[in-house]
Amino acid sequence: EVQLVESGGGLVQPGGSLRLSCVASGFTFSSYEMNWVRQAPGKGLEWISYITNSGSGTFYADSVKGRFTISRDNAKNSLFLQMNSLRAEDTAIYYCAREDSIMDYWGHGILVTVSS
Amino acid sequence: QSALTQPASVSGSPGQSITISCTGTSNDIGNYNLVSWYQQRPGKAPQLILHEGSKRPSGVSNRFSGSKSGTTASLTISGLQAEDEADYYCCSYAGSSTWVFGGGTSLTVL
Repeated sequence: EVQLVESGGGLVQPGGSLRLSCVASGFTFSSYEMNWVRQAPGKGLEWISYITNSGSGTFYADSVKGRFTISRDNAKNSLFLQMNSLRAEDTAIYYCAREDSIMDYWGHGILVTVSS
Repeated sequence: QSALTQPASVSGSPGQSITISCTGTSNDIGNYNLVSWYQQRPGKAPQLILHEGSKRPSGVSNRFSGSKSGTTASLTISGLQAEDEADYYCCSYAGSSTWVFGGGTSLTVL
């Protein structure tokens, strides 16, 4: 069974940093591209970042470019999102999602709250 | 990276059919056959119900169907059931390994 479990969320002050993790199981992690998608409270879904299966290629939405960094450790079946210079508008549930031409499996999500 | 356009809400009675539209541009829906639809129940993660416009993952009811014409994709739910009440999101590949979502549609089963 495919499982994706996010962790590392919480409350952080504006301007602060946070690192999210997503541990994968039930499939060959190193064979799949991965994404991060977020959802602000009461709002819709927003794609924010993508990484190739090897980790050699990364892409970002304009809203997070230059502040967030996606990475992965295939030996540990783990995906990461380093979030710096956090703003109030980054408050959201963050989901990791496996990509197999489309985003087919999603984690349960982890809440990040940016507030003073 | 502008969001795809969906109606904010739709409603229908049990047994009826409803259709949710998703309008994009020639940079996303109009240029790629990679439209997917997700169902999201309150407090839960989105769940894939259609991909490549009209293909259903294993286990998804055949009451869900999809189509695409030009820059607009559509999701149709036939034989509405109370359990279909949820938010629905369309998503399209937008090139250069980026994706764009619709704003979401809240379905109410009357």
